[in-house]
Amino acid sequence: KQEVTQIPAALSVPEGENLVLNCSFTDSAIYNLQWFRQDPGKGLTSLLLIQSSQREQTSGRLNASLDKSSGRSTLYIAASQPGDSATYLCAVTSGTYKYIFGTGTRLKVLA
Amino acid sequence: KAGVTQTPRYLIKTRGQQVTLSCSPISGHRSVSWYQQTPGQGLQFLFEYFSETQRNKGNFPGRFSGRQFSNSRSEMNVSTLELGDSALYLCASSPTAGPNTGELFFGEGSRLTVL
Repeated sequence: KQEVTQIPAALSVPEGENLVLNCSFTDSAIYNLQWFRQDPGKGLTSLLLIQSSQREQTSGRLNASLDKSSGRSTLYIAASQPGDSATYLCAVTSGTYKYIFGTGTRLKVLA
Repeated sequence: KAGVTQTPRYLIKTRGQQVTLSCSPISGHRSVSWYQQTPGQGLQFLFEYFSETQRNKGNFPGRFSGRQFSNSRSEMNVSTLELGDSALYLCASSPTAGPNTGELFFGEGSRLTVL
């Protein structure tokens, strides 16, 4: 059974810092991995999608990497800003299921 | 291009009642999947519909059901509501069905409170 873990559960950093969020999954047979952000009480906003044949994707200040063999993905945020404060979720697709989500990392960027 | 639209955004029901939530996917997307989000369990997959057919179902009791119409709009229904059904219900759309479906786009969710 696929399980997705995100550590740490919460993180506070000063503005301008570069940071890395971690996502681990137990079954390396995935199709896709997607990173989302969620603001309080809102839906999920797609950040980056990495297909299983890819190793990384970049969008602006965000870079996500995927290492299927070790069951890990990282989301790198450069020069963090207060507007980056949100919960970040990773999700994978494997087996017959649509995305299986991690429990998220709650990020707070301090001005 | 309009995003995923969910209605209603907020609703309050009492135990034993039933509720119907609606989701309109992004134009051209034929797959709609539903998720339940609670503080204790996180985001859990409910079911996926594609071309008016349920393609997959998560581990939820039969009180949770759904359907999809020919225009790809989807509804989910929860009967005999329990306190534990209080949650944010999120709908997501994608172009195709199945696990290798590409990017998933979410709506703002329907916040259900059961009293």
